Amino acid sequence: QLQLQESGPGLVKPSETLSLNCTVSGGSISSRSYYWGWIRQPPGKGLEWIGSIHYSGTTYYKPSLKSRVTLSVDPSKNQFSLKLTSVTAADTAVYYCARQGDVWGYWGQGTLVTVSS
Amino acid sequence: EIVMTQSPVTLSVSLGERATLSCRASQSVSTNLAWYQQKPGQAPRLLIYSASTRATGIPARFSGSGSGTEFTLTISSLQSEDFAVYYCQQYNNWPPRTFGQGTKVEIK
Repeated sequence: QLQLQESGPGLVKPSETLSLNCTVSGGSISSRSYYWGWIRQPPGKGLEWIGSIHYSGTTYYKPSLKSRVTLSVDPSKNQFSLKLTSVTAADTAVYYCARQGDVWGYWGQGTLVTVSS
Repeated sequence: EIVMTQSPVTLSVSLGERATLSCRASQSVSTNLAWYQQKPGQAPRLLIYSASTRATGIPARFSGSGSGTEFTLTISSLQSEDFAVYYCQQYNNWPPRTFGQGTKVEIK
């Protein structure tokens, strides 16, 4: 059974960089068929796609976040990562990693990241 | 960017009753439409893909229909575990991958 697990700091200061990792187990991240993505959910709000990456390194980002987001992948660790720079309180959210086929079939449990000084 | 609009925002339904949720796309997405269920404190769970195909393990009381710009998720007889927020999501044109704002199904 495929499992995804987010990890990273739960508290980030304004203007700093949010960094999260997603470790995939029970399957290989090096599958041609899938992308691996990040989705976030501010408290009490809806789901927002941030970006997706293929193991080959191909990336797609939400246009409004593109200038601040970098996704990377490390097939040797079966892991992919998110970096979001210059964070503000508006970036406070639960961040999910997920496997993207046509749809998001597998999700991590999510990790709350709070932006506060 | 394709905008997904769900209605109603909140749906109050009694146990055993039928619930009908709507999702509208700002342009045609063919049948490239998925529905997800999210319970408090949990990640979303895939319910329906290709507008009408139930994902593995999803009970038959959940059904999806529609194509183009108009879609419906129907829960034929609400069970206690079905009270949750439901999101639609298009995957016809991306990036970006867009979700609707969600419909909360609550107990009447």
